[in-house]
Amino acid sequence: DAKTTQPNSMESNEEEPVHLPCNHSTISGTDYIHWYRQLPSQGPEYVIHGLTSNVNNRMASLAIAEDRKSSTLILHRATLRDAAVYYCILTGGEIQGAQKLVFGQGTRLTINP
Amino acid sequence: KAGVTQTPRYLIKTRGQQVTLSCSPISGHRSVSWYQQTPGQGLQFLFEYFSETQRNKGNFPGRFSGRQFSNSRSEMNVSTLELGDSALYLCASSPWALCYGYTFGSGTRLTVV
Repeated sequence: DAKTTQPNSMESNEEEPVHLPCNHSTISGTDYIHWYRQLPSQGPEYVIHGLTSNVNNRMASLAIAEDRKSSTLILHRATLRDAAVYYCILTGGEIQGAQKLVFGQGTRLTINP
Repeated sequence: KAGVTQTPRYLIKTRGQQVTLSCSPISGHRSVSWYQQTPGQGLQFLFEYFSETQRNKGNFPGRFSGRQFSNSRSEMNVSTLELGDSALYLCASSPWALCYGYTFGSGTRLTVV
């Protein structure tokens, strides 16, 4: 499984943008980049995913580097409810490949009021 | 719409016993996966089912097994429980495949004494 590297922790202020980085230098051409987050005492929650192009949804934006060796999850205006552990995960082969998520240690995001 | 439902929420078992955990996916979702979360190992993939067939299996001993029924509901079984099996067991469902994103349940907290 291709590996990702994320900072152990990050801190930001409420109502400010947050940029969560993820390095994946060994990504292959068919690997998708997924982001999940886990709030305290809850199961992980899907945030966003992409392949090559930048993606936006109601929760966040995903910016993917041109060489795909890194990506950034962007929370445009952080709230206290965004405090969670954020996981960047690579998955290979959407249908034929491994239908599993390999979680690393993730980034623990703290939001200050 | 109803989310992923896992029962029971909490369970205490004695070493050597066996346990069965249940997961009801979101209506219409045909892929169900199971994960184990512990403080030491983090989130680890157990297995994934689609249309009653196991498509993927993680690196766990044979004491861990699962199955999926025709209505997509899934169960996982752990036989001959060990203290180290104490964990949060999470179930996730998806319409078809990983590309749609997984929705996780709140988990079953298993304590082995």
